Amino acid sequence: AQSVSQHNHHVILSEAASLELGCNYSYGGTVNLFWYVQYPGQHLQLLLKYFSGDPLVKGIKGFEAEFIKSKFSFNLRKPSVQWSDTAEYFCAVRVFKNAGNMLTFGGGTRLMVKP
Amino acid sequence: KAGVTQTPRYLIKTRGQQVTLSCSPISGHRSVSWYQQTPGQGLQFLFEYFSETQRNKGNFPGRFSGRQFSNSRSEMNVSTLELGDSALYLCASSPGGLNTEAFFGQGTRLTVV
Repeated sequence: AQSVSQHNHHVILSEAASLELGCNYSYGGTVNLFWYVQYPGQHLQLLLKYFSGDPLVKGIKGFEAEFIKSKFSFNLRKPSVQWSDTAEYFCAVRVFKNAGNMLTFGGGTRLMVKP
Repeated sequence: KAGVTQTPRYLIKTRGQQVTLSCSPISGHRSVSWYQQTPGQGLQFLFEYFSETQRNKGNFPGRFSGRQFSNSRSEMNVSTLELGDSALYLCASSPGGLNTEAFFGQGTRLTVV
C-alpha cells in the first residue's frame, strides 16, 4: 500500500523567512500529487497539484512545489512566508485504483509564522 | 458555484447509537469520497462513490457504510458508535475522471460520549 511521509510535524518561522516542507511517498506507479492547507477552523483547501508535465508547479499564495520522480518527493516551498500562512499543511497522493479518487495523506505539518 | 456542503456541522452522540452524515457535492461532480480526521491518525480514507457505486473502500470496520444517490448526494452511516469514532468527517467531491482534483467540505465534527 502507498504511504506518504511528511518530515516535519511542527515548523516555526519568522515572517519573511523561506519555507520548505518535505513530502515523500512510496508508490512506483503513476501518481497525482497535491498539497492542501487547512487554516484554523477552515476546510481543506488545495494549494497546488501535479498531474504531469513540468515538475515545478506553482500554486496559490506564492507557493510552489517540485516533483522529483527519482526521489519520490514533492516538496513545498515559499520564498517568504507571512503571518497569514500559519496553518496545517498536508501532502497527498492519489494512485490510480479503479480510476478512483482515493487520496493518501501525510501526517501534516503545523506551520506557525511569528510576526 | 456552491462548494461542498456537509450537514450537520456538529453532532454529539452516545456510545452504541448510530449516526448519518450527509454530503452534497459540487454541482456536476459525480465522485464523492469520505475521510476521517483525528489528531492521532490524521486523515484516513473511508470510501469513494461514483455514480451510486462504491468504487474504493478504506480499512475501516463494517460499522462504517455509505451510499450515493442519483443526484450524487452522499450519506455515510456509522452504527454502534464507539468513543474512538469521535472525529472530523470530511467529504470531498470531484468530477471523478483522471487528473482531477478533490474539493473538500467543512466537515462534520462528531463527538461520541
